[in-house]
Amino acid sequence: DSGVTQTPKHLITATGQRVTLRCSPRSGDLSVYWYQQSLDQGLQFLIHYYNGEERAKGNILERFSAQQFPDLHSELNLSSLELGDSALYFCASSPVAGGGSPLHFGNGTRLTVT
Amino acid sequence: DQQVKQNSPSLSVQEGRISILNCDYTNSMFDYFLWYKKYPAEGPTFLISISSIKDKNEDGRFTVFLNKSAKHLSLHIVPSQPGDSAVYFCAASRSGSARQLTFGSGTQLTVLP
Repeated sequence: DSGVTQTPKHLITATGQRVTLRCSPRSGDLSVYWYQQSLDQGLQFLIHYYNGEERAKGNILERFSAQQFPDLHSELNLSSLELGDSALYFCASSPVAGGGSPLHFGNGTRLTVT
Repeated sequence: DQQVKQNSPSLSVQEGRISILNCDYTNSMFDYFLWYKKYPAEGPTFLISISSIKDKNEDGRFTVFLNKSAKHLSLHIVPSQPGDSAVYFCAASRSGSARQLTFGSGTQLTVLP
């Protein structure tokens, strides 16, 4: 158990809809990262928050947004969903903003858009 | 543009033998490399890492080798055990990038009893 909690585990929704994925980092970790894994591909970095502030953006679509709340949990909002958004979405956390310690991943949310 | 490549989608090895998983990268700015293991329905689990100032790092049965001139790293598992069967991801990052990892596409390792 990595200590990172993601909910829900599975989500099935229709095209055009909006969903929210939730992540609780490990106790004491200030950084939260979101990654997307499409079928048979590696994980693609989406966005990084540190202590409530956005630190970096990766390959995140404009239809997607995220935030980190004062209690350090984070939410990833996906809107105007398309079939191609179907993927595993992973959250990871670490104690710091920069280098030094590896990321610890949650078990992911499997999103299916029909 | 795939900056981190794992060219072998799968690898089968007999229990007790050595497993060698390979990874190539193209971005010379990468200076920190990691291996993650992933079981079905679980998130990736950190296995071992190496900084670019080293060429080898060992942790029990797992050893990572880094060849900077070839932009190549490998993970050796000796001896391999059936419980090692999983997807192995190579990942890389660079200083100042706040651990924004770039992942390879993964190699499915199957250790046969």
